[in-house]
Order: sequence, then structure tokens, then C-alpha cells
Amino acid sequence: GAGVSQTPSNKVTEKGKYVELRCDPISGHTALYWYRQSLGQGPEFLIYFQGTGAADDSGLPNDRFFAVRPEGSVSTLKIQRTERGDSAVYLCASSPHPKSGPNSPLHFGNGTRLTVT
Amino acid sequence: LAKTTQPISMDSYEGQEVNITCSHNNIATNDYITWYQQFPSQGPRFIIQGYKTKVTNEVASLFIPADRKSSTLSLPRVSLSDTAVYYCLVGDISGYSGAGSYQLTFGKGTKLSVIP
Repeated sequence: GAGVSQTPSNKVTEKGKYVELRCDPISGHTALYWYRQSLGQGPEFLIYFQGTGAADDSGLPNDRFFAVRPEGSVSTLKIQRTERGDSAVYLCASSPHPKSGPNSPLHFGNGTRLTVT
Repeated sequence: LAKTTQPISMDSYEGQEVNITCSHNNIATNDYITWYQQFPSQGPRFIIQGYKTKVTNEVASLFIPADRKSSTLSLPRVSLSDTAVYYCLVGDISGYSGAGSYQLTFGKGTKLSVIP
């Protein structure tokens, strides 16, 4: 079946611009996560959604980062006033509701590579 | 959140068994141990998960001693296509305890290079 889809696969933007990154989770998965991965590092947690609400946004680095999931399916990660330090691969993952079974594995997309020039 | 320590890199020849050990000394009672594999330009992919003793699937085995302070991922007869970064994660995302964190923490992982 279809996996997690992320668009665009690559995004180049100028410093100070606004960007939106989209994630289409696996159908029926209520849990959705955003991670950020810099070169040579492991993925870094940003935010977790359970349904439409952000259950844990403690990983967002500052108020320039915001994410929404208005209908409990597709999610958009929004970054305002981009900085060169925001350059990274942004990964989205989904899983069934955590209470459908302990520690349901995450299914990751292939990410959006964001480059801020 | 339990912190994990694993080797930065490992080399192996094709056909050999590879064992990657992860230390997690402050693992909590509700924590599970999960391993992911990541190829370049792809997102991490789930390999195996366990709580205690031994778990085996079609891809790998996971050995967890009684004290659960470490775990070993075993890949039988590796091939060139097993060259990847392997991450060990410890955590509880079930929320059953009411205090579970949703932050699964990835370390830097172990870069496995399989040599012909």
C-alpha cells in the first residue's frame, strides 16, 4: 500500500522567505510526527500530532516553526523567516494510534530536503 | 528519556553475521527498544522491536539481557544492501503510563559498511 508521502522532495529558498512542507500520512494512521535531520546526525523530534491536535510540540526550535493538521490527515510544517541554519531534511512519520498497541513503529517518508541560501 | 550509546561505525564482509550493541543504562520500566535502518536519501525504516529476552523476525534478531541495560541487533549473513545507518531507540510512546513522552530520540546511529 501507499506509504508516507512528502512534498516537495527538494525545496530551495532564500533566507527570510516562508516555506511550507507537506506530509500525507498512511491512511488511517492517527499519529503523525515531524522530525528534522541534519547531515551526519540522527533525526531530531519536532512535533507530534494525535488526530488534529498537537500533543507534543516541545521539539519546535522557536516560534518561526509551526505545524498544522486541520482534518487529522495531511499535515503542513510551516517555517517563517527562514534562516540558513534551517537547512536540513525534514522527515514526517505516521503510526496507528499509540493505544492500538504499545509502541507502534513509525513509518517514515523520504523527507523534504530544505536548502536556505 | 533514556539515552542510548552505540558505536559510530562498523565494517563487515559479506556473508558474515553482524552484531551491533546499544547501551541504555537508564531505561525505564515502560520503555521498549526499537531499531531502525536508514539508507541515504530515505527515511528510517523499522527493523525490530522488543521489551525483553529475544525477538526474531525475517530480517534480524534482537537480544535483550535481563537487566535491559543494553541490547544487541544481530543481522545474519549481511549483504552489500545492508550498508546503512542503524539507530537504536528507547522509549515509550504508548502513553499508557500517562507520562509517556512522544519524543522518540534518535542518536547518531551506527554506520554499517559491508565490504565485498
